[in-house]
Amino acid sequence: AQKVTQAQTEISVVEKEDVTLDCVYETRDTTYYLFWYKQPPSGELVFLIRRNSFDEQNEISGRYSWNFQKSTSSFNFTITASQVVDSAVYFCALIQLPANRDDKIIFGKGTRLHILP
Amino acid sequence: DAGVTQSPTHLIKTRGQHVTLRCSPISGHKSVSWYQQVLGQGPQFIFQYYEKEERGRGNFPDRFSARQFPNYSSELNVNALLLGDSALYLCASSGQGSSYNEQFFGPGTRLTVL
Repeated sequence: AQKVTQAQTEISVVEKEDVTLDCVYETRDTTYYLFWYKQPPSGELVFLIRRNSFDEQNEISGRYSWNFQKSTSSFNFTITASQVVDSAVYFCALIQLPANRDDKIIFGKGTRLHILP
Repeated sequence: DAGVTQSPTHLIKTRGQHVTLRCSPISGHKSVSWYQQVLGQGPQFIFQYYEKEERGRGNFPDRFSARQFPNYSSELNVNALLLGDSALYLCASSGQGSSYNEQFFGPGTRLTVL
């Protein structure tokens, strides 16, 4: 069975601080994709990153960075020098491969991030 | 270019009623997926359609059904509404038919069942 755990329900940090959002996943499969999505108050989910299970390279995109460690089944997301506009709910998600008719993407429960001015 | 659009924005129904939610994908996208997001939870996959055929189904009762039209827009239907169906219903479109491709989400329809 697949499972995604985001243990941090809610985090508050002061603007310009760095913050890391944790994601731990479970899957029996060796091939899978992991995702991070951002959900601002407007409601729509915004795609941030997709990582396949064979690519453990860390990725940096501006102030965002992701640390993928298969050994600990974790895919953590760090925001450097946080800004008020980063305030949102962030979801980690997983889908196994090859995706077939019954496969579905599994989302964690999300972490609500508050960036305080 | 327009993103994914959903209608209506908000909806209030009573138990036992039926509801139809609508979604228009990004132009050129042939895949539409539906998700239910209960307050405080992550989205749960309901259906995926690609080229007008069902490609995936989540663990939802038969009261939930969907279809995709020739123009790739989609409808989600829920019969015999229950209080527990109150949620944000999200639609996502993708250029490809697999759930692991990048999906673009609409703003959702907030359904309240009284």
